Formats: sequence, structure tokens, C-alpha cells
Amino acid sequence: EADIYQTPRYLVIGTGKKITLECSQTMGHDKMYWYQQDPGMELHLIHYSYGVNSTEKGDLSSESTVSRIRTEHFPLTLESARPSHTSQYLCASSGQGYGYTFGSGTRLTVV
Amino acid sequence: DQQVKQNSPSLSVQEGRISILNCDYTNSMFDYFLWYKKYPAEGPTFLISISSIKDKNEDGRFTVFLNKSAKHLSLHIVPSQPGDSAVYFCAAIPNTDKLIFGTGTRLQVFP
Repeated sequence: EADIYQTPRYLVIGTGKKITLECSQTMGHDKMYWYQQDPGMELHLIHYSYGVNSTEKGDLSSESTVSRIRTEHFPLTLESARPSHTSQYLCASSGQGYGYTFGSGTRLTVV
Repeated sequence: DQQVKQNSPSLSVQEGRISILNCDYTNSMFDYFLWYKKYPAEGPTFLISISSIKDKNEDGRFTVFLNKSAKHLSLHIVPSQPGDSAVYFCAAIPNTDKLIFGTGTRLQVFP
């Protein structure tokens, strides 16, 4: 049973559309993260949050934005999707320990 | 500057033999190391970890070795099984800051 949920699992959308990728966790973790994985294997950190009303940009520049209004919810928004945004987006959270728990990811295709 | 490197992008091993995945790091301040396994279209799942004060940790078929002087860690899988075919990421963390992931190694276990 997953403790961190991402929806949708797959999304195909036209250029210029606004999209929001959902991520929720039930573990009460303060820290949450968004990663992007392109067809190459590397995981790129694009956003993170250490608590409510705290968001920071990650190592890879991204046109997406995030919000953290509730502890359990960390949605990612693209105001105007482009084909270059086609990728897999992975959400993760962490608590007091060292490890991250990842969601199943959203595979986004912009046509 | 890649602080955690996996120099072998792919590895092919016969079923029943040992798989050895390698990882090098540059930051001597890392105090915890983890291995994650990722199937296509899914999020990474935690596999095994090791503290910097240890040199070996074993969990079933999986063993992680840490050589601090060489700044090198390795994951041994024995015996390898077809279900082990996936991308493996090593990751390191300094003082409960954000995880730093390696570039990944794609393992293929063939019959």
C-alpha cells in the first residue's frame, strides 16, 4: 500500500495547456521533493519543500511551479505545457530518517 | 559537478551469477549512503543503505560495501534473478540534507 500518491499516472496533453500534477502523502513528512527524469536515467531535483509555505527551486531549472499549503499535499503546475516538458515527474517525501519514499510517478507527454 | 558517480551506465549479467554495481563519490562529508531500484514508469524504491561508520551491510541477496578511503561503494546482488533487471541509483546524504543521486546503472539479468 503506497503512502505517497501521484495522479495522474499518465497524461497526454496539447501544447499551451495548463496542467497540475498531484502529489499527496499520508506519512506526515515535512520534506517533499519533485524530480524529473528524462529518457536518460538521471534524476534531476526541480523543487523541494521543508514544510508548509516553504518551497525552493532545485538543481535543475524548471518552468514549473509548486505550492505547499498543507503538509500532505505538494502539487506541481505547468502554466503552459510545451513538448520540452515531456518527461517523467517523480514526487518524494522524507521524515526524520535519511531515506526518501517515492510515488509511482507521472509520465507526461506534451504533443 | 557530479558528486556521486556511477561510471557504468549498463551491466549485463547471467541469471544466478553475481551482479556488482559501483558508485564513486567526491564529498567526504557524506554520512549515509543508499541504493534505490527503479523499474520503467515507476518511482524508485529503497533497496539497502549503509552508514559511513560501517563498511558492510547485508540484506538477503543484497550487500553494500563501503570503502571510505577510496570514496567508493558497491552493491552486490547474488544470485542475480531476472526480476532484478532495473535501473539502480546510488545516493548519498550529508547531514540530513537533500539526497544526491548518482546517474544510474541499468542492470539486465538474462537467463
